[in-house]
Formats: sequence, structure tokens, C-alpha cells
Amino acid sequence: SQQGEEDPQALSIQEGENATMNCSYKTSINNLQWYRQNSGRGLVHLILIRSNEREKHSGRLRVTLDTSKKSSSLLITASRAADTASYFCATDANSGYSTLTFGKGTMLLVSP
Amino acid sequence: DTAVSQTPKYLVTQMGNDKSIKCEQNLGHDTMYWYKQDSKKFLKIMFSYNNKELIINETVPNRFSPKSPDKAHLNLHINSLELGDSAVYFCASSQGGAQHFGDGTRLSIL
Repeated sequence: SQQGEEDPQALSIQEGENATMNCSYKTSINNLQWYRQNSGRGLVHLILIRSNEREKHSGRLRVTLDTSKKSSSLLITASRAADTASYFCATDANSGYSTLTFGKGTMLLVSP
Repeated sequence: DTAVSQTPKYLVTQMGNDKSIKCEQNLGHDTMYWYKQDSKKFLKIMFSYNNKELIINETVPNRFSPKSPDKAHLNLHINSLELGDSAVYFCASSQGGAQHFGDGTRLSIL
């Protein structure tokens, strides 16, 4: 069953601007992950944030997690045309082997 | 060296046929997965194997049968293909945490 819901469904920005995507989920989680999917390709793991963490950074990416609101956000700073892709959040309820439930994704278009 | 590779990349076939998709990972991961991504890009887990043992079997028609000959391979066989099976099928692997995905097999049923 679907767990995450991303918002917005689509986002169009100019190069250099920041992009923020949100994800809400319904049940308890062990961790939450963000993935990127370029057109015609597989998903690429971006960042994992555990349920006891509130914020995590990786390069131009910043992820926050609010377990009380069951929500997460992904911020991409100083966006580039190469960031154009679909972005998915996925929740993992397990602490052992990974079992992900994906949201519907946000399609990000970054124009030069 | 591709970490998770699946073949074929494209598969076009007639309704009623039987087809297989192969997946191999060279990451040494214990767990492998099959996902189906529909035309709206919604990604849904179908099966998961951990060390050749089936651990997740979602509500998938029994026309779909996974097979893991060893922990580096997870194949998907589909019998009696139907129009609704048209989708992109992704294989993935994991050692807990992040999952690594192949580039997908686009299945089109005529």
C-alpha cells in the first residue's frame, strides 16, 4: 500500500534557485529515504535519515524529518539543469532488511 | 562495472505469451527486489528475496513467479501476459538501508 505522498507533484524553477519537496507518510518508520530518477533510468539513492534524526545534509541536499507530523522535506540548493528528474521519498518500517514503500514522486524541472 | 543489471532493457510481446526478465547484482548484497512502475510513475514492491529465500510476496497475480538461483541473481518469469502487465519493471538490491536499482525493463504488451 502507498505510504508516502509527495508535494508538489511537479515543480518548475530556474537554475540557481532552491527547490523544496515535501513528503508525508502514515505509519511508524525506521528510516526515510529520498531517491532521484532521471528519465528512462533507475532510481538513485540520495540520502537516508533515521527516525531519531531531525536533519541531514549531503552536498547541496538537506533533508529534514519530523516524526511527530510524519513528514519530511528535501531541499536542493542552487539547483542546476542536471537536477531535472523525479524525486521520490520512501519509508522503511524495518530495522533489518530494507523494505521500502514509495510515494508518487515530485517531478522537478530546472530551466537554464 | 554496472552494479545492478537487468536484461532485456525493452521487451515487446503479444498478449498470452510467457517472458522472463533477468537481474544480476555484483554488490554482494543479501537482499534483492522486483518493483513494478506504472505509467504514472508509481513504484510498487512485488517480491523480495533475502539470501535466496522469499521474504516479501505482495498481492501479485500468480502468473508472476520470481526465482533466485543464487543471492546475486533474481529472475522474474511472467506467464500468460496481459495488457495490464505493461509497465517498467525494476530490480534492486540492498544490504539494509539504501537500495540500488537497475535501469529497468520496459515491458509492452501488444
